[in-house]
Amino acid sequence: GNSVTQMEGPVTLSEEAFLTINCTYTATGYPSLFWYVQYPGEGLQLLLKATKADDKGSNKGFEATYRKETTSFHLEKGSVQVSDSAVYFCALSGGAGNNRKLIWGLGTSLAVNP
Amino acid sequence: DAGVTQSPTHLIKTRGQQVTLRCSPKSGHDTVSWYQQALGQGPQFIFQYYEEEERQRGNFPDRFSGHQFPNYSSELNVNALLLGDSALYLCASSLVPLLSSYNEQFFGPGTRLTVL
Repeated sequence: GNSVTQMEGPVTLSEEAFLTINCTYTATGYPSLFWYVQYPGEGLQLLLKATKADDKGSNKGFEATYRKETTSFHLEKGSVQVSDSAVYFCALSGGAGNNRKLIWGLGTSLAVNP
Repeated sequence: DAGVTQSPTHLIKTRGQQVTLRCSPKSGHDTVSWYQQALGQGPQFIFQYYEEEERQRGNFPDRFSGHQFPNYSSELNVNALLLGDSALYLCASSLVPLLSSYNEQFFGPGTRLTVL
């Protein structure tokens, strides 16, 4: 079945460092891909999305490109801030036989130090 | 425009009891999904309701049941609670396009259930 694998955390960076969180997926068909963020004590928020191959999602300085050839959707940010400290989840939806539910990675905790 | 709301915020129950969690979807949304998020884990899909029927279900036992009302709000019921049911229960709403697999879901803040 469909699945999402993302790099384990925690990830600890200094402010203004470059961030990459890897995400790969297994799916038949053409799923949509998402990054969600969960700030401490809050619910999940959609950070960015991509619905077809080669699409680039971007928001708040974060970017991720839907790479079908490598089945990847890595999250990147050029210069992280303390306020980016949160848990980041990669997820997919759609593809053959799954057009309604989100399938999630385990999450990657990011801590940014000043 | 109110987003997804859930109640209660926190709940403490004992083993064997039953619990009902409630969710109101974002205005204009007609589909509600429920997820269980254990501490330090990603969310796990429980089920999804559309047009007052359960449309898709994850790998959860029959102790987990739900309902959707004509106003699209939803309830999640869990019977015979186990310690392992302690988790954050998330509700997400969406508007399912008819011709696309794309499905952006908007999440509520969750209900933290503790089973003692």
